[in-house]
Amino acid sequence: DQQVKQNSPSLSVQEGRISILNCDYTNSMFDYFLWYKKYPAEGPTFLISISSIKDKNEDGRFTVFLNKSAKHLSLHIVPSQPGDSAVYFCAASSNTGNQFYFGTGTSLTVIP
Amino acid sequence: DTGVSQDPRHKITKRGQNVTFRCDPISEHNRLYWYRQTLGQGPEFLTYFQNEAQLEKSRLLSDRFSAERPKGSFSTLEIQRTEQGDSAMYLCASSRHVNTQYFGPGTRLTVL
Repeated sequence: DQQVKQNSPSLSVQEGRISILNCDYTNSMFDYFLWYKKYPAEGPTFLISISSIKDKNEDGRFTVFLNKSAKHLSLHIVPSQPGDSAVYFCAASSNTGNQFYFGTGTSLTVIP
Repeated sequence: DTGVSQDPRHKITKRGQNVTFRCDPISEHNRLYWYRQTLGQGPEFLTYFQNEAQLEKSRLLSDRFSAERPKGSFSTLEIQRTEQGDSAMYLCASSRHVNTQYFGPGTRLTVL
């Protein structure tokens, strides 16, 4: 039972434009949502997180939006850079943080 | 912070053998997680420690898998009687807070 879903396996964006990566979840008990970037042969790198009491969190070029009623979150990267090309995972947890559920990832390619 | 380290980085074993992986978390991180990742999938939660206490185990974790964190610092993950289906990347992550996790580089297991 996939509780966190990333329905777009891949996304291509021109350098300098906005990248929008989407994530949907099914469990209304989730309180924390995290985004990771992963390069081949490396572990995931933490990017940004948001808790359920917020609807937006921003860190530099990265902004995460949370729509609790729709059980949907998105990661915006602007402006996109070629170095952003990687697989992006979203993950979710309840307020205990004892278990995290990951999506299947979206492969982002930023075209120079 | 020196980052999360995992050893070995690669392990090739024959079916039926036992293997053990080690994870050294970031110093003072009381939360430690183990995940398994296969090609095209996101990390799949295996187990969670808070200090030395194992607080959560995936119900997908068979009795061939066992994990320890004896002094609340490093952790080991042992797989007994390995099967070809155990071939995967095994990831360890640590954190101090529920809204972040820092991953190690992973141990790639190949079972022949």
